[in-house]
Amino acid sequence: DSGVTQTPKHLITATGQRVTLRCSPRSGDLSVYWYQQSLDQGLQFLIQYYNGEERAKGNILERFSAQQFPDLHSELNLSSLELGDSALYFCASSVEVSCSGNTIYFGEGSWLTVV
Amino acid sequence: DAKTTQPPSMDCAEGRAANLPCNHSTISGNEYVYWYRQIHSQGPQYIIHGLKNNETNEMASLIITEDRKSSTLILPHATLRDTAVYYCIVRVEETSGSRLTFGEGTQLTVNP
Repeated sequence: DSGVTQTPKHLITATGQRVTLRCSPRSGDLSVYWYQQSLDQGLQFLIQYYNGEERAKGNILERFSAQQFPDLHSELNLSSLELGDSALYFCASSVEVSCSGNTIYFGEGSWLTVV
Repeated sequence: DAKTTQPPSMDCAEGRAANLPCNHSTISGNEYVYWYRQIHSQGPQYIIHGLKNNETNEMASLIITEDRKSSTLILPHATLRDTAVYYCIVRVEETSGSRLTFGEGTQLTVNP
């Protein structure tokens, strides 16, 4: 158990809908990361937050948005869903925003299926 | 990003040492080498990381060459549960954030 908690574990929704994925980081971790893993793309970095502020952005679509709340939990919002958005979405956390020596721990992911 | 190169797959007999190589010839002086593994759609699991010196923990050993252009992850006594995709990652540190950029990894299969 990494200490990173993600909900829901599984989600099935229709095209055009909107979903919210939730992540609780490890206790004491200020940085939260979101990754997407689909069958044909591998693990893709989406976005990083540190103590409520966006810090780094990867291949995140405009239909997707994220935020980190004062209690440090984070939500990833996916809207106007398409079939291609079906994937595993991982949240990860670490203590510091920018320190190559600290460890990033991953949650078990949220399976999103768009039908 | 400092790119890493890993063999796509490797096989290892149960009980033997598994040595997973990684090339990272463009690594910068302050970039760490991280190893993660992913067991069939579970969350990536941290294994070990290092900068210059060899590192060892309860899971594995990391050997980094003196020029830092390559490294080897060693699982001393592989078990069937070590079958997974192993990712060698050079952590990118940007001005305001950092990330782990995953490549294709090495599919390690431990055989009985």
